[in-house]
Amino acid sequence: DVKVTQSSRYLVKRTGEKVFLECVQDMDHENMFWYRQDPGLGLRLIYFSYDVKMKEKGDIPEGYSVSREKKERFSLILESASTNQTSMYLCASSLRPLSSYEQYFGPGTRLTVT
Amino acid sequence: QKEVEQDPGPLSVPEGAIVSLNCTYSNSAFQYFMWYRQYSRKGPELLMYTYSSGNKEDGRFTAQVDKSSKYISLFIRDSQPSDSATYLCAMSVNSGGYQKVTFGIGTKLQVIP
Repeated sequence: DVKVTQSSRYLVKRTGEKVFLECVQDMDHENMFWYRQDPGLGLRLIYFSYDVKMKEKGDIPEGYSVSREKKERFSLILESASTNQTSMYLCASSLRPLSSYEQYFGPGTRLTVT
Repeated sequence: QKEVEQDPGPLSVPEGAIVSLNCTYSNSAFQYFMWYRQYSRKGPELLMYTYSSGNKEDGRFTAQVDKSSKYISLFIRDSQPSDSATYLCAMSVNSGGYQKVTFGIGTKLQVIP
């Protein structure tokens, strides 16, 4: 079974702090994704990566950056957290770019920015 | 207009009922059609996917795609309380060498014992 793990289930940070969210997958998947999920808005893609050191902007990249130094690990960085970044953050992976319809999700990190 | 429209519900049904969940879409180029299930405080998990039109069955679950109407459905037979979850439809299109996925907002289903 594919396992996608996220570093924290719940996180509380203050406005202006730099926040790191970590994601690790154990199935040698090429693709990794970061989403945020908000009521009424659904899943929105922040960034994705199809290879080590490669990254592509999703639909809402503003205020975020990512890092993929190793194939199994994909980090989401909030450079200066703001209250409107309070959300559920979900990491996902897929085997190859052309099989992105089949994504495996982590359990999510609920981030609260106060 | 959103590319993928899904009624958020909630939808409450008695145990044993047949459940019908639906999505409409506007992009005729979508190729793969997926249904994900998300339990409370968990990440989504892929239930099933269909390529292009047609039906696909997996146990109590049947997925249907009608490309002419731009309409997809998920049917759950003999619904169980354990089916209570949010169901997200999703669709993808080949975009520069990868499948770009668009998700619906999800329909919350509650199956009452």
